[in-house]
Amino acid sequence: GAGVSQSPSNKVTEKGKDVELRCDPISGHTALYWYRQSLGQGLEFLIYFQGNSAPDKSGLPSDRFSAERTGGSVSTLTIQRTQQEDSAVYLCASSLRAAGAYEQYFGPGTRLTVT
Amino acid sequence: AQTVTQSQPEMSVQEAETVTLSCTYDTSESNYYLFWYKQPPSRQMILVIRQEAYKQQNATENRFSVNFQKAAKSFSLKISDSQLGDTAMYFCAFTGGTSYGKLTFGQGTILTVHP
Repeated sequence: GAGVSQSPSNKVTEKGKDVELRCDPISGHTALYWYRQSLGQGLEFLIYFQGNSAPDKSGLPSDRFSAERTGGSVSTLTIQRTQQEDSAVYLCASSLRAAGAYEQYFGPGTRLTVT
Repeated sequence: AQTVTQSQPEMSVQEAETVTLSCTYDTSESNYYLFWYKQPPSRQMILVIRQEAYKQQNATENRFSVNFQKAAKSFSLKISDSQLGDTAMYFCAFTGGTSYGKLTFGQGTILTVHP
């Protein structure tokens, strides 16, 4: 079956613009996670969804970051008024359930470059 | 808070030889899961092997095996008969039994397999 997909693959934007990153999880996976991979911070958790709810948003770096999930499927991560420090690869992962016993399957990521 | 430390930023090995990647972690949880993920240049994170903390037996997946030392909080990955396709960044990751699958990653080790 299809894996986790993310779009766009690469995004270049000007400082101060808003961007939307999309994640399509594996069908039937109720849990969805967003991570950020940057040179300075390594791989860090941003937010996770169980269904359409986000019980843990503790990793979002600022209120410029938000995410939503609709229909228990597609998720969008929005970054408002982008800053150069937002440049990173944003990874999405999904799993059957939100628990450590379930494997997370990762998408190929979106590379965001803020100029 | 949990922490994961990979002390080897880079490693290299000759094809067909064996290499061991190190990982230590810190947690106060009694139930948790440990993982090794592989990230090739394509950016696609792939699960290599996982270990449940309550299992004393070390996990093995074909050429990949772990040495899980719970008391020492150590979780190393051994790759036997290294292949050129093993060249990638390897991440050690942790999730606690109550963390809803949220992964905490180490800094990563770049492994290069030479012909």
